[in-house]
Amino acid sequence: DAEITQSPRHKITETGRQVTLACHQTWNHNNMFWYRQDLGHGLRLIHYSYGVQDTNKGEVSDGYSVSRSNTEDLPLTLESAASSQTSVYFCASSGPQETQYFGPGTRLLVL
Amino acid sequence: QKEVEQNSGPLSVPEGAIASLNCTYSDRGSQSFFWYRQYSGKSPELIMSIYSNGDKEDGRFTAQLNKASQYVSLLIRDSQPSDSATYLCAVGGSSNTGKLIFGQGTTLQVKP
Repeated sequence: DAEITQSPRHKITETGRQVTLACHQTWNHNNMFWYRQDLGHGLRLIHYSYGVQDTNKGEVSDGYSVSRSNTEDLPLTLESAASSQTSVYFCASSGPQETQYFGPGTRLLVL
Repeated sequence: QKEVEQNSGPLSVPEGAIASLNCTYSDRGSQSFFWYRQYSGKSPELIMSIYSNGDKEDGRFTAQLNKASQYVSLLIRDSQPSDSATYLCAVGGSSNTGKLIFGQGTTLQVKP
């Protein structure tokens, strides 16, 4: 069965460190998305991609970057982790019908 | 700023009752609408999608869409304690960009 996976599932890091969160999907979807979810803010879009070599900024992209070198993967990098980036991060993918399927999430704690 | 609004709740209903969850959106040109369920500590999972005005039924779930009023709702019949979760309304844009705007979710509590 097609799926979308994220790793690690939990991560503790220190302020200033670079962190990369992995997202891998086997749906063969062109569209991939990264969200963060915080209490009181719901799901907020960080970055998204419509295909290989395509990346776009979402509403909360400062301090984050992505790259898309193949269809299956969209890693999210926190260039210099800040305490404000403590959150739950979800990756999602979608095909032509816009229905997004979510990964299990990564809980990130920045100390 | 395109918005999707939901009452955060909690909405509390007794087991066996009908739960009604509501959502309004600001982009009049939106073409696609989704309901996701999210259990505490888990990721959102798709319950229903709806694209045309009217009702769409799937088991105990019915999605209702009224584009003129910019309103979409989810009815859960015969509510069960296992339905207790946060329900997220998501709306696609007018130009089929693939991006969805999510509401903040309504927490539903079904009491035995």
